[in-house]
Amino acid sequence: AQSVAQPEDQVNVAEGNPLTVKCTYSVSGNPYLFWYVQYPNRGLQFLLKYITGDNLVKGSYGFEAEFNKSQTSFHLKKPSALVSDSALYFCAVRDPGGSQGNLIFGKGTKLSVKP
Amino acid sequence: NAGVMQNPRHLVRRRGQEARLRCSPMKGHSHVYWYRQLPEEGLKFMVYLQKENIIDESGMPKERFSAEFPKEGPSILRIQQVVRGDSAAYFCASSSQGEGEAFFGQGTRLTVV
Repeated sequence: AQSVAQPEDQVNVAEGNPLTVKCTYSVSGNPYLFWYVQYPNRGLQFLLKYITGDNLVKGSYGFEAEFNKSQTSFHLKKPSALVSDSALYFCAVRDPGGSQGNLIFGKGTKLSVKP
Repeated sequence: NAGVMQNPRHLVRRRGQEARLRCSPMKGHSHVYWYRQLPEEGLKFMVYLQKENIIDESGMPKERFSAEFPKEGPSILRIQQVVRGDSAAYFCASSSQGEGEAFFGQGTRLTVV
């Protein structure tokens, strides 16, 4: 069965330091991978996706993610964290054999960036 | 271009009542998806619709839940005879054709008392 794991419930980072939010997946075939961010009382906002091509994907707000097929990972990264990056981050995967929009989400990782 | 609009934002229903959640997709989007987010959990896919058609309802509970996306008007997620376990945030998303990313609404928070 397809699944997504975000092993950390919370990540704490000092402003200006690099941040990593981890995501691993399990899916048959080649996955479509996504990162979304959710601010309090808001809907999810799309950050970036990997479908095919370059393993390093650049997205919104300076975020990037690296697809690692051998480790089945798709970690989200940012070189220098901002306090305004504090939010809930969700990794999602879609089985290319599944219907469009049938995304499987991880439980989310709360990112806290302190000044 | 307004984003995905969901209403109401908050909905309180007594056990046994019906809940109707509305979603207006972004202009030009003909694909709508509904997700449910239970407390402390990630989003769970419920249903994928295109205009007048249900494409994938593999995540919908077999009873009491239904969804539609008529030719005119918003998509509706309907929950009949609500129970306390239906309390959750329900998110709608929309996309254009192809592999475009889904844009999410702000959600409807349903509380069953």
